[in-house]
Amino acid sequence: NAGVTQTPKFRILKIGQSMTLQCTQDMNHNYMYWYRQDPGMGLKLIYYSVGAGITDKGEVPNGYNVSRSTTEDFPLRLELAAPSQTSVYFCASSYSVKLEKLFFGSGTQLSVL
Amino acid sequence: GESVGLHLPTLSVQEGDNSIINCAYSNSASDYFIWYKQESGKGPQFIIDIRSNMDKRQGQRVTVLLNKTVKHLSLQIAATQPGDSAVYFCAENIRGSQGNLIFGKGTKLSVKP
Repeated sequence: NAGVTQTPKFRILKIGQSMTLQCTQDMNHNYMYWYRQDPGMGLKLIYYSVGAGITDKGEVPNGYNVSRSTTEDFPLRLELAAPSQTSVYFCASSYSVKLEKLFFGSGTQLSVL
Repeated sequence: GESVGLHLPTLSVQEGDNSIINCAYSNSASDYFIWYKQESGKGPQFIIDIRSNMDKRQGQRVTVLLNKTVKHLSLQIAATQPGDSAVYFCAENIRGSQGNLIFGKGTKLSVKP
């Protein structure tokens, strides 16, 4: 039981490049989330999903896209990377939106130069 | 500004002492609160939660207190150990909001041996 797995752990992008941050969970959780964490700050919600085929915007969705074709996977796409997207990205999942006991991945540190 | 904030950005305690980490929130519609621990290079880990119909909840060495009158939340760690050194975040869930936990900036706890 691996929990929530994120890849890659580190990545450096040039301005304008695109990439996909991968996230997969093996706990059969319906709810999945993407957060970003800027230095010295709390986490901010980018996108979330309440089940396969359903996604919705969080607090800071601009510049990102997501898809949820399966229960297990919830990739985050950056189409045109900008320096403002330099951050640590965390994927999380939970079994209930009400209980909100999130299981977090170990994060992806992204730098856009 | 953020709804959830912390009174102290850093806290240094002696091993064996009790630690108290504070958190203020401003949204009276928040009905669920969570404390997370984040060690360096890792994702946040759930510590303890409390619903708004409770004033106190205890776990193993940890206690969360909720004062709805002054919108204040605290995390108490008994007999603090070096392994408790981490950044601690409080997070709130606003009643009716789906998937959007609001995180505070975090308090860094350092335990001196």
